[in-house]
Amino acid sequence: DAMVIQNPRYQVTQFGKPVTLSCSQTLNHNVMYWYQQKSSQAPKLLFHYYDKDFNNEADTPDNFQSRRPNTSFCFLDIRSPGLGDAAMYLCATSRGRAGANVLTFGAGSRLTVL
Amino acid sequence: RKEVEQDPGPFNVPEGATVAFNCTYSNSASQSFFWYRQDCRKEPKLLMSVYSSGNEDGRFTAQLNRASQYISLLIRDSKLSDSATYLCVVSFNQAGTALIFGKGTTLSVSS
Repeated sequence: DAMVIQNPRYQVTQFGKPVTLSCSQTLNHNVMYWYQQKSSQAPKLLFHYYDKDFNNEADTPDNFQSRRPNTSFCFLDIRSPGLGDAAMYLCATSRGRAGANVLTFGAGSRLTVL
Repeated sequence: RKEVEQDPGPFNVPEGATVAFNCTYSNSASQSFFWYRQDCRKEPKLLMSVYSSGNEDGRFTAQLNRASQYISLLIRDSKLSDSATYLCVVSFNQAGTALIFGKGTTLSVSS
């Protein structure tokens, strides 16, 4: 089945130790997103790629970076995780058609920072 | 400013009840609107898109009011399985890709 796959599902890191989360898709969608969701809060858009064009949200900390080496893969790099970065990180994709940009989510990567 | 506001909830209703959620958004130029459902510790899943003319899918009806910048979701004949968090999503760029979520409204349906 076509889908969005995130790895790892669970990641434990130490304060300040860099982390990379990965996302792959078989949907051939143009857009890939990273959302951060903390407990009992809404998913917060960090950034998204439309093809190779990177779109950063104004309030996304510099500590968060992303790479999209090809259509299928996208990575989230957290350079120096703090305790406040503990959250579920959700990758999503969409076709990129205005008015029909339905998001397909992966199962998420839950990050714990010790 | 990219803001999507929802009724705080939680909504606790008996089976068979009708319940309505509202959501307001800050950008009059927004073009895309959706309702997503999220179960506990799961990823969000599309419930329905919201069209200008309003749309219905079984027991679920979505409405858009552009003048007042709000969307609504009506659930009729609530089922136990409807218990979840309902998230309003609005686009904030021309391409429709800056998709911002509201905080969500929690619904609990009891027997």
